[in-house]
Amino acid sequence: AQKVTQAQTEISVVEKEDVTLDCVYETRDTTYYLFWYKQPPSGELVFLIRRNSFDEQNEISGRYSWNFQKSTSSFNFTITASQVVDSAVYFCALSFTQGGSEKLVFGKGTKLTVNP
Amino acid sequence: DARVTQTPRHKVTEMGQEVTMRCQPILGHNTVFWYRQTMMQGLELLAYFRNRAPLDDSGMPKDRFSAEMPDATLATLKIQPSEPRDSAVYFCASGKRQGSLNTEAFFGQGTRLTVV
Repeated sequence: AQKVTQAQTEISVVEKEDVTLDCVYETRDTTYYLFWYKQPPSGELVFLIRRNSFDEQNEISGRYSWNFQKSTSSFNFTITASQVVDSAVYFCALSFTQGGSEKLVFGKGTKLTVNP
Repeated sequence: DARVTQTPRHKVTEMGQEVTMRCQPILGHNTVFWYRQTMMQGLELLAYFRNRAPLDDSGMPKDRFSAEMPDATLATLKIQPSEPRDSAVYFCASGKRQGSLNTEAFFGQGTRLTVV
């Protein structure tokens, strides 16, 4: 099965704390893509990052960083110095090609609450 | 600022009625995804189009759901007849697939459907 597991259902932190959201994926493909999306209380899904399976370099964008490790099939997301505005549900997703079509499969999401 | 536009944002309808949800992809994008989000099932892929052709609708209940792209600026998802269990938020996403590079999917704000 090709799937994404986000074991943390909910996380609560205090502002300025660092927080890491875990994502573990399963796939039999050698070429695939991993994504993170943010869903704030307003409900829209906001694209954060895409990585392909051949690029294991970690990425940093401001307070956000991502750690991709093929050896453990993980693509974890860290927010440094969290802020109240980071409160949202965060989804990890796996994209692969199947029968000429694309599949974008989401995990169940991690609800992050950042308290002042 | 290019974005995916979905209409209506909210829809309340009676069981048995036909529901049509519309999506305007970002100009220049050649892929469209339809997703359904519920608390129980999370984000489920319903259909996938590339260059207006439906390549995958395996996630869609075939007896009552249909998805089309009459032109490059409009994708529709229709439910006929609607049932209470169809109540969910329906998202459309569009992206640009180039070669074998899977799409970065950008999501609309969703249509919140309530069937009573």
